[in-house]
Amino acid sequence: DIQMTQSPSSLSASVGDRVTITCRANQHISRFLNWYQQKPGKAPILLISAASNLQSDVPSRFSGGGSGTDFTLTISGLQPEDFATYYCQQSYSAPYSFGLGTILDIK
Amino acid sequence: QVQLQESGPGLVKPSQTLSLTCTVSGVSISSGGYYWSWIRQHPGKDLEWIGYISHTGNTYFNPSLRSRLTISVDTSKNQFSLKLTSVTAADTALYFCARTNSGWYYFDSWGQGTLVAVSS
Repeated sequence: DIQMTQSPSSLSASVGDRVTITCRANQHISRFLNWYQQKPGKAPILLISAASNLQSDVPSRFSGGGSGTDFTLTISGLQPEDFATYYCQQSYSAPYSFGLGTILDIK
Repeated sequence: QVQLQESGPGLVKPSQTLSLTCTVSGVSISSGGYYWSWIRQHPGKDLEWIGYISHTGNTYFNPSLRSRLTISVDTSKNQFSLKLTSVTAADTALYFCARTNSGWYYFDSWGQGTLVAVSS
């Protein structure tokens, strides 16, 4: 099975900051990497698919990059509604696996 | 706009069978083009993909659960269902159903989730 490692596990930032979350796979996954945002008591929401494809309705301050084993999610100009938990997910091969999440909270 | 809604008991006794149904609206499961997945989130917040089914009934399961798992589809009701046998406390989780892209296998629409506790 493919293991996904996210870092950091938690991150404190301020409104307006630029933050980057990293996700690493323990084997090559091409661009089969997706990012989700989850707020307390809610289901995850797909932000980015295929490493860098921003979903419709997702603000352009979110961006994704990477391929192979190393990927990033960047939020440029944090807004109050962005404080949440972020998960990466590999969809290269089943069983599809998630990282353990990065909690982004307000400094 | 596609919507998914999970339903089923919130409490299951150890060794019994957990049964959940996901009702889909806004799109017909039988139209194809997607898979339909179950995903769970344990109390520690880690997410685990359980398995998916196609509109024709083809399934793919997480090997860690395969021996206890059944996923079925009822296109006439636009629903798909999960059965997990011989449950233990480790199966306590928030269970989500989700639409799954059939090429890239990402989850683009989710239900709100239903909490299932395994306890006597």
